Amino acid sequence: GAVVSQHPSWVICKSGTSVKIECRSLDFQATTMFWYRQFPKQSLMLMATSNEGSKATYEQGVEKDKFLINHASLTLSTLTVTSAHPEDSSFYICSARPRTGWNTEAFFGQGTRLTVV
Amino acid sequence: GESVGLHLPTLSVQEGDNSIINCAYSNSASDYFIWYKQESGKGPQFIIDIRSNMDKRQGQRVTVLLNKTVKHLSLQIAATQPGDSAVYFCAENRQGGKLIFGQGTELSVKP
Repeated sequence: GAVVSQHPSWVICKSGTSVKIECRSLDFQATTMFWYRQFPKQSLMLMATSNEGSKATYEQGVEKDKFLINHASLTLSTLTVTSAHPEDSSFYICSARPRTGWNTEAFFGQGTRLTVV
Repeated sequence: GESVGLHLPTLSVQEGDNSIINCAYSNSASDYFIWYKQESGKGPQFIIDIRSNMDKRQGQRVTVLLNKTVKHLSLQIAATQPGDSAVYFCAENRQGGKLIFGQGTELSVKP
């Protein structure tokens, strides 16, 4: 299957700093990628839709100024958690679909464990 | 539907038994559904999918059933193995290609 890669796999940062997470589609082009957040023992919550060459679309309740998304190319989307606080500690996961039709499986990155201390 | 804040229900089965994991979805317009398996500390892994014009689909050791009348999905795993232990999520396709995840079920297989 198609491969989606996230980097880093884990990161620890100090409160108040910003952290950037990268999501790459390695063997296909993705005009749209999706960012999720997952707290322990809970489901994946969709945060935003990342659109290549345009602004991201955020889900209700997700602060766009705190979670900056940039989709500069057809294979790369980045999520920057700005001024991180301990409550932002979570597992962040991206996904992408290799074809334009939506009735196809989505491939997920391996996730990034963010710990804010 | 969205399930943030709810903790995962668990299902414990004996190795070799069949497992049935259930999922309710909220949007009657959803036309495509996927089951994912997630192991600890990893991203979701595709298991099987089904389109809304079908009510059953079979894969290797897995079967998905879709009941659109009551908006219910189930995943059946035959001859469950210890390697099947993980959290299982159903996801429904929404407008714009968004996948919305269900609550999830933690499957524990006892040897």
